[in-house]
Amino acid sequence: SQQGEEDPQALSIQEGENATMNCSYKTSINNLQWYRQNSGRGLVHLILIRSNEREKHSGRLRVTLDTSKKSSSLLITASRAADTASYFCAHPPLRGGYQKVTFGTGTKLQVIP
Amino acid sequence: GAGVSQSPRYKVAKRGQDVALRCDPISGHVSLFWYQQALGQGPEFLTYFQNEAQLDKSGLPSDRFFAERPEGSVSTLKIQRTQQEDSAVYLCASSGQGAYEQYFGPGTRLTVT
Repeated sequence: SQQGEEDPQALSIQEGENATMNCSYKTSINNLQWYRQNSGRGLVHLILIRSNEREKHSGRLRVTLDTSKKSSSLLITASRAADTASYFCAHPPLRGGYQKVTFGTGTKLQVIP
Repeated sequence: GAGVSQSPRYKVAKRGQDVALRCDPISGHVSLFWYQQALGQGPEFLTYFQNEAQLDKSGLPSDRFFAERPEGSVSTLKIQRTQQEDSAVYLCASSGQGAYEQYFGPGTRLTVT
């Protein structure tokens, strides 16, 4: 079963607005990753944040991590229609290697042109 | 360079039939993963290979599911005596030595009628 939960489940915004989605997880982690999935390009890795980091930026993406609350957020600034996709957080186990990544349930983002 | 490829992209099977799904990972990637994704859900881990060794198969839902990677490259996921609940998208991913980022294939959509 999936251990992470994204919130909201669905989000609809106008092009140019910012989109924020949140992720909660249940176990201790050493890193958390965000992935995007759309029909055109499939599932694509966006960004990774390590447990000793609180914030990370990549282009229009900003990720925060609060390990005390077991939560992360993904902010997409100046959204574009091409950002329409489902976004998932994912994390490997703290121990035992990185292989068994657990994905959340996803946030479905629609950006209206 | 080529990404992860999967075949077939779509498969319709009658209940009780056996199916075989193929994954060609990125050349040189030692880690290979299989996931099952139900409609509207995030991917769920099935199994993990490091080279030809299957190190984790804890996510395989039943003994009808079998995966192999005999030469440490191409992998096949086999489902015997398919059931309707096996209908899903099956995703394959690969990653390099020591890397967290996974590269996903386009998936095989399996429909069991």
